[in-house]
Amino acid sequence: EVQLVESGGGLVQPGGSLRLSCKASGFTFTNHWMTWVRQAPGKGLEWVANIKQDGSEKYYVDSVKGRFIISRDNPKNSLYLQMNNLGAEDTAVYYCARRGFGSYEYWGQGTLVIVSS
Amino acid sequence: QSALTQPPSASGSLGQSVTISCTGTSSDVGGYNYVSWYQQHPGKAPKLMIYEVSERPSGVPDRFSASKSGNTASLTVSGLQAEDEADYYCCSYAGSNIYVFGTGTKVTVL
Repeated sequence: EVQLVESGGGLVQPGGSLRLSCKASGFTFTNHWMTWVRQAPGKGLEWVANIKQDGSEKYYVDSVKGRFIISRDNPKNSLYLQMNNLGAEDTAVYYCARRGFGSYEYWGQGTLVIVSS
Repeated sequence: QSALTQPPSASGSLGQSVTISCTGTSSDVGGYNYVSWYQQHPGKAPKLMIYEVSERPSGVPDRFSASKSGNTASLTVSGLQAEDEADYYCCSYAGSNIYVFGTGTKVTVL
């Protein structure tokens, strides 16, 4: 059974940093692009970042470029999102997802990030 | 990287049908056959309902169907059931390994 379990969310002050993790199981992690998607409270889904199977390619939505870094540790079957210089607009539930045929076939349960003083 | 446009809400009676539109541009919806649709119930993670414009993953009822014409994709839910009441989001590949989601549509079953 495919499982994605996010962790690392919490309350952080504006300008602060946070590192999210996503532990994958039930599939061959190295075969798949992985993605972070976020959802602000009461708002829609927003694609945040993608990373290739070997970590050699990374892509970001414009609003997080230069502040967020997506990475993966394949031996640990783990995906990460390092978030720096956080602002109130980054408050959201962050989901990790496995990319399939141009779509996101498996999702974690999400981890909540609140940016507030 | 502008969000795809969906109607904020749609509704239909039990057993009837509802269709949701998703409008983008030639740089996303119109340019690729990588449009997907997601169902999200309150407090839950999204669930993939359609991929590659019109393909259903195993386990998704055939009441869910989808298509695309030009820069607009559509999702139709036929034979509406109470459990279909949820938020629905489209998503499209936008080139250069970038994806964009729609604004979301809340479907109400009357």
